[in-house]
Amino acid sequence: GAVVSQHPSWVICKSGTSVKIECRSLDFQATTMFWYRQFPKQSLMLMATSNEGSKATYEQGVEKDKFLINHASLTLSTLTVTSAHPEDSSFYICSATQGGETQYFGPGTRLLVL
Amino acid sequence: QQQVKQSPQSLIVQKGGISIINCAYENTAFDYFPWYQQFPGKGPALLIAIRPDVSEKKEGRFTISFNKSAKQFSLHIMDSQPGDSATYFCAASPPPPGLILTGGGNKLTFGTGTQLKVEL
Repeated sequence: GAVVSQHPSWVICKSGTSVKIECRSLDFQATTMFWYRQFPKQSLMLMATSNEGSKATYEQGVEKDKFLINHASLTLSTLTVTSAHPEDSSFYICSATQGGETQYFGPGTRLLVL
Repeated sequence: QQQVKQSPQSLIVQKGGISIINCAYENTAFDYFPWYQQFPGKGPALLIAIRPDVSEKKEGRFTISFNKSAKQFSLHIMDSQPGDSATYFCAASPPPPGLILTGGGNKLTFGTGTQLKVEL
């Protein structure tokens, strides 16, 4: 149980385009979802906290107009990287909770912006 | 105050040996301490977690030791195997916010990670 999926698993796009990443909780309802980014050999950096039906809460330094988060249902949250640039290339990981403290992580999405 | 310091950065252990990774925190409001295992190109997977009301928790070959007064906790991997080679992250979070506060769920503060290699 407590499986989280992400789609796509990897994506390559041209600079200036937008990319949407989906995060789904497959076997539970996720009251809260989190979005992280991770650079090679570094720790996870929290980008934003997403609650179903409300606006996401962004961490300091994360541009909310660049990283659009939509948590439309209790099983789906999306992260859209708008006007992507090479510096946005990273590993994006989502996690979900059922209301408790345990976060279940997705497999990650590797984004490469050319 | 939100930091979780993790050491060592990297660790090489012989097969069958004990791997020990340490973490320290400052925020006394933290009350949930999970450990995650991450393989290259994959998302982190929860290994084991502990709360401050116990000093030790064991699940199979994995044990968390917790020292509340020193604000330190550690992961011990007994009988380490090559398949345990991965990056390990400690983390900490405070209690869930009350109903009057916006948002839900607990934000995790992660340590910097330890790259473990278990050699034959």
